[in-house]
Amino acid sequence: GAVVSQHPSRVICKSGTSVKIECRSLDFQATTMFWYRQFPKQSLMLMATSNEGSKATYEQGVEKDKFLINHASLTLSTLTVTSAHPEDSSFYICSASIDSRGRSNYGYTFGSGTRLTVV
Amino acid sequence: AQTVTQSQPEMSVQEAETVTLSCTYDTSESNYYLFWYKQPPSRQMILVIRQEAYKQQNATENRFSVNFQKAAKSFSLKISDSQLGDTAMYFCAFMRPGANSKLTFGKGITLSVRP
Repeated sequence: GAVVSQHPSRVICKSGTSVKIECRSLDFQATTMFWYRQFPKQSLMLMATSNEGSKATYEQGVEKDKFLINHASLTLSTLTVTSAHPEDSSFYICSASIDSRGRSNYGYTFGSGTRLTVV
Repeated sequence: AQTVTQSQPEMSVQEAETVTLSCTYDTSESNYYLFWYKQPPSRQMILVIRQEAYKQQNATENRFSVNFQKAAKSFSLKISDSQLGDTAMYFCAFMRPGANSKLTFGKGITLSVRP
């Protein structure tokens, strides 16, 4: 089945530095990817929608200058947390619709997540 | 805007028994999709089951089945013959039709299967 590969799985960074998280769609093209943030034992909170070749769409309250999203190809989307602070520590997950025709009606496939710890 | 409500934060079930997880939603749409996702301790999100609103027949996937009541806007998940590997957080989700529509998630329920 469709697989989204997300890296790194865990990252620890110092306060003030930037961290990049990658999501790659394997064996399929993803014109759209979604980025979520999740706190322990809570639901997924949608941060932004990443569109190949165009600007990302951010949800209300999400700082676009802090969470930079790039979707330069049909198989790769990246989330960069800039000038990270301890409050940015969280679990970040990406997801993609199954193919470039947007067959999202079948349900999205998710990356394995990235646990970010800012110290 | 659509909302998804999972009012039970936690449930526990004995191995081999049956458990039902509740979910209600609110929408003015007539056509939509409903999902149950599982998130085990690995935190990998896994699609459990999917229901299309225009289909009256309840979806079934092996030990997992749903009770979809469109008029009541209810979408419960029944897990039969519970297994230890079913221990996870379960999320109910709603999606409107259309390319790249967003998923709206409920708060989730933590299910523990006791040996």
